Amino acid sequence: ILNVEQSPQSLHVQEGDSTNFTCSFPSSNFYALHWYRWETAKSPEALFVMTLNGDEKKKGRISATLNTKEGYSYLYIKGSQPEDSATYLCASTIANNDMRFGAGTRLTVKP
Amino acid sequence: DAGVTQSPTHLIKTRGQQVTLRCSPKSGHDTVSWYQQALGQGPQFIFQYYEEEERQRGNFPDRFSGHQFPNYSSELNVNALLLGDSALYLCASSSRGSIYGYTFGSGTRLTVV
Repeated sequence: ILNVEQSPQSLHVQEGDSTNFTCSFPSSNFYALHWYRWETAKSPEALFVMTLNGDEKKKGRISATLNTKEGYSYLYIKGSQPEDSATYLCASTIANNDMRFGAGTRLTVKP
Repeated sequence: DAGVTQSPTHLIKTRGQQVTLRCSPKSGHDTVSWYQQALGQGPQFIFQYYEEEERQRGNFPDRFSGHQFPNYSSELNVNALLLGDSALYLCASSSRGSIYGYTFGSGTRLTVV
């Protein structure tokens, strides 16, 4: 994998559903993996920074895991709420400090 | 401590015109990246500047150019504006050597009519 790739591109779920999406990134020269939440008309908000293989981070109903050996991270949202609707961006920083973003997963939670 | 500052916040231009957007990075940050978010789309990476040079570039035409100044502030220039250039333009700053990622500005909303 040469670029950061996120899937799915968009996702529609019902309120209360749990959901997850994937970020794939180059595993060579890995330095850090970042997740951001970007709500419409607002600035992207940093959610997590992970650096170690096996890292797990949690913030309320949102959690993330990291596998640096195979180059992927999962973001989980438990019991989705309409206010979770946003674009979720992941970004990988490699050893030379270049930070590469994925295209984002656009989540819509329907009441 | 000021975060990332972008100006102007809103802008209306006519097709064919040129526009310059400005960004002042967060204090202590030396790298500036620009993103375009069209309505209903995810953010698209335009380019990144560090040490006054373009370091990375996304899939944008040469009509999109930039500059970084010695004080780390940056400009995004778009020539020969098209209707499709209407979007929110976000600037993000970061610090080389830090793992803590980007701090984003509030964006400039560009409307091309």
